[in-house]
Amino acid sequence: GAGVSQSPSNKVTEKGKDVELRCDPISGHTALYWYRQRLGQGLEFLIYFQGNSAPDKSGLPSDRFSAERTGESVSTLTIQRTQQEDSAVYLCASSPFYGYTFGSGTRLTVV
Amino acid sequence: ELKVEQNPLFLSMQEGKNYTIYCNYSTTSDRLYWYRQDPGKSLESLFVLLSNGAVKQEGRLMASLDTKARLSTLHITAAVHDLSATYFCAVQETSGSRLTFGEGTQLTVNP
Repeated sequence: GAGVSQSPSNKVTEKGKDVELRCDPISGHTALYWYRQRLGQGLEFLIYFQGNSAPDKSGLPSDRFSAERTGESVSTLTIQRTQQEDSAVYLCASSPFYGYTFGSGTRLTVV
Repeated sequence: ELKVEQNPLFLSMQEGKNYTIYCNYSTTSDRLYWYRQDPGKSLESLFVLLSNGAVKQEGRLMASLDTKARLSTLHITAAVHDLSATYFCAVQETSGSRLTFGEGTQLTVNP
C-alpha cells in the first residue's frame, strides 16, 4: 500500500485481557517505530526496529509490553494483562532512512 | 537523555497575525522534524531540517534550524483558521536513532 497501515483502528478491551496491535509499514522501509499518545499528550517512544538489528526496546513501559517484527515487514505490539492506564492511541511509523510516515493509529480503550 | 521542549504549549491567535513556535533540544542533533496533528488524526509531516541554517517554507509556515543554539523555530505568517492544529517538533540525535518529540503546541486561530 501507499501508506503505513494499522489495525484495528479502534479496540475496546476489558481490563486484564491481552491485545495485539498490527502495523504494516511502507514497503522497503527498513525502520519501524511504535509510539504511544495519551489523550492531550505528546508522543512517547516505545520500541524501534531497524532492519535485522536488535530492536531498541528501551521505551517499553513494563514487561507486559512486547513487540515483534519479521524482517522488514509487519510488526505486532502485544500488551498483556491490560490496565486502564494503557488506554491511549498507539502509533506506528516507518522510515527508509530519514523522514517518517505515521499510520493512523490504534485507539485502545481499556474498560 | 535527549530532551525536547516546545513553547508555547498553547497559542491562541487572530487571523492575519504572525507568531513563532520555539523548539529547544538538549544534545547535538543533525535532524529535526516538524509535524502537524489535527484532532483525532495521525501526524502529518511538515518539514525535515537536516543542517545548520536550514530554512524551509510551505505556504504560511516557515521552519528554521540553528544547531549551534539547539533551536528550531516554526514561524506562522498571516495565520488563517485552517492552521488550527497541534504542532510537534521531533529531534533525532543521529542517523538511525529514535525520534524524541516535544510536548506539542496547540494552536487555535480565531476569526
